[in-house]
Amino acid sequence: GAGVSQTPSNKVTEKGKYVELRCDPISGHTALYWYRQSLGQGPEFLIYFQGTGAADDSGLPNDRFFAVRPEGSVSTLKIQRTERGDSAVYLCASSPDGTGGNTIYFGEGSWLTVV
Amino acid sequence: GEDVEQSLFLSVREGDSSVINCTYTDSSSTYLYWYKQEPGAGLQLLTYIFSNMDMKQDQRLTVLLNKKDKHLSLRIADTQTGDSAIYFCAESGANNLFFGTGTRLTVIP
Repeated sequence: GAGVSQTPSNKVTEKGKYVELRCDPISGHTALYWYRQSLGQGPEFLIYFQGTGAADDSGLPNDRFFAVRPEGSVSTLKIQRTERGDSAVYLCASSPDGTGGNTIYFGEGSWLTVV
Repeated sequence: GEDVEQSLFLSVREGDSSVINCTYTDSSSTYLYWYKQEPGAGLQLLTYIFSNMDMKQDQRLTVLLNKKDKHLSLRIADTQTGDSAIYFCAESGANNLFFGTGTRLTVIP
């Protein structure tokens, strides 16, 4: 596609449920990032993939959070036993090769609300 | 760790210049960025500056970098109502970006 695509755009779930958020990066981009943005805050880094492997997962807050990118393209962020504090916008971004400069493109985010 | 700080709010009149300021802590950052976020939308990259530069101009946008003071600013000339949004400063880390809390710019007609 033309840009980074994220689904669902909105998700309301009950506390304790399992949630999957999907990201479809720009075609050909090897680097993929997940960020979380809470209300009134800037985005916070969660995890970075280079190809199929998680090159840096230091931002994942705890073991309830997990992400995969099995074929080096689409990625899924998985949240187990959701808590109300997980409510946020989850942003995905991609980059041609993970180097700096003007090459990191963000999707519109998945708004997660845990009730 | 990295810390990026911005003032929370800025109001300007349409046609005036806006200046949004940011301070950061990691002197090894290679790139510094400005992103724009409109309500309910994702992040749009506005401009970036390489750390060995002190100024970059792109149409109505001027970025100034004071590396000694770790201070970055974004000037928007002839501010329009469509410029109303949240502006995020970000510095590059090894594998990701570190964002400030954002400055909400309100343009008064």
